Amino acid sequence: DTAVSQTPKYLVTQMGNDKSIKCEQNLGHDTMYWYKQDSKKFLKIMFSYNNKELIINETVPNRFSPKSPDKAHLNLHINSLELGDSAVYFCASSPYRGRGTDTQYFGPGTRLTVL
Amino acid sequence: GNSVTQMEGPVTLSEEAFLTINCTYTATGYPSLFWYVQYPGEGLQLLLKATKADDKGSNKGFEATYRKETTSFHLEKGSVQVSDSAVYFCALNAGTDSWGKLQFGAGTQVVVTP
Repeated sequence: DTAVSQTPKYLVTQMGNDKSIKCEQNLGHDTMYWYKQDSKKFLKIMFSYNNKELIINETVPNRFSPKSPDKAHLNLHINSLELGDSAVYFCASSPYRGRGTDTQYFGPGTRLTVL
Repeated sequence: GNSVTQMEGPVTLSEEAFLTINCTYTATGYPSLFWYVQYPGEGLQLLLKATKADDKGSNKGFEATYRKETTSFHLEKGSVQVSDSAVYFCALNAGTDSWGKLQFGAGTQVVVTP
């Protein structure tokens, strides 16, 4: 059984469109994250939710809006897509809120290409 | 602020060679340190971690020791296999005030040839 799953795996779209990426975890974890990996493989956190509460909101354009309907799901909606949004987006989860020793479990990633 | 610096790749090795990937960090307080591995086309998975000074993390023949005096967490493996070809990320979590935020190094690509 997949622990952290993301859909879609690939997303190709035109500039200006709006798109969503979905993430689900079946690990019973309280905390979920979105990371962005750029073309040079550099990873940076974007958002984190704990039990549907936003706890990390890095400096990200407000075209990006996360939503967590319940603690097992975290979606990422992106408005007015730009070329620079092309990247691989990873969802992750961890057991507890803010505990620095916890392992984070990553999904397989969604490769977004904006044309 | 907190940061992680790791050696640039790609690192190309022959099978059974010794692998070292250097990682140093800057952080206030007592961070936890991690090595994650990303195999081609996949997400990241934890390779090993250490949560306090002098701890040694180990897994699948890889080891790393948390050295507070040198602010380092170098990754080593005595004899690599072709299947170890991947991108390796050093990361830190600064502690309870960081809400679980992982800060990653730039990643080091390792290529192991037969």
